[in-house]
Amino acid sequence: KAGVTQTPRYLIKTRGQQVTLSCSPISGHRSVSWYQQTPGQGLQFLFEYFSETQRNKGNFPGRFSGRQFSNSRSEMNVSTLELGDSALYLCASSLGGEGSGTEAFFGQGTRLTVV
Amino acid sequence: AQKVTQAQTEISVVEKEDVTLDCVYETRDTTYYLFWYKQPPSGELVFLIRRNSFDEQNEISGRYSWNFQKSTSSFNFTITASQVVDSAVYFCALTAGGRGGADGLTFGKGTHLIIQP
Repeated sequence: KAGVTQTPRYLIKTRGQQVTLSCSPISGHRSVSWYQQTPGQGLQFLFEYFSETQRNKGNFPGRFSGRQFSNSRSEMNVSTLELGDSALYLCASSLGGEGSGTEAFFGQGTRLTVV
Repeated sequence: AQKVTQAQTEISVVEKEDVTLDCVYETRDTTYYLFWYKQPPSGELVFLIRRNSFDEQNEISGRYSWNFQKSTSSFNFTITASQVVDSAVYFCALTAGGRGGADGLTFGKGTHLIIQP
């Protein structure tokens, strides 16, 4: 059974640019969550999608957005990049149904560097 | 608001020693789930265990064991006879139950475990 796949693994972008990261969840999983990991703030929840609908969003500015497709694959977009957006972005997949237990499995992440 | 505290920033032990990683949580939800994840240098978070708030039974899996105590809001993780391969950053996490993961995970700051040969 394939795990969670994130692409690309590494990205270098310039301030002001925008970036799109991709996540393919485990087959059969309908929930995809995104997290930002930085040395200062640790792991922080960005947002969660289930069946193409955003169910929850963390405390991040509107520059951070996402979407989920009918095949459960998800993308997150960051516009007008700032130096502080440099981080490891992790995607997690889970079954996601009500009362499903929320067991989440993570991908290897995308390391974004903003210069 | 939920909160997870891992007071130990870094622990260093010699191989074969036992080591316990502490986790204290705060939540107002009566139904919640607790997790432990391992993050090796490659970056991927590896799932270790999930516990729901109604199950206080301790669990053992090989050299790993977990002690969940609601009375002290703690969910501690013990590695017995540690090995160099156990070296990693370990995260404790919490989420509310009943919404299938929609609330996301609240993570502690992590404990960097170093096992010296």
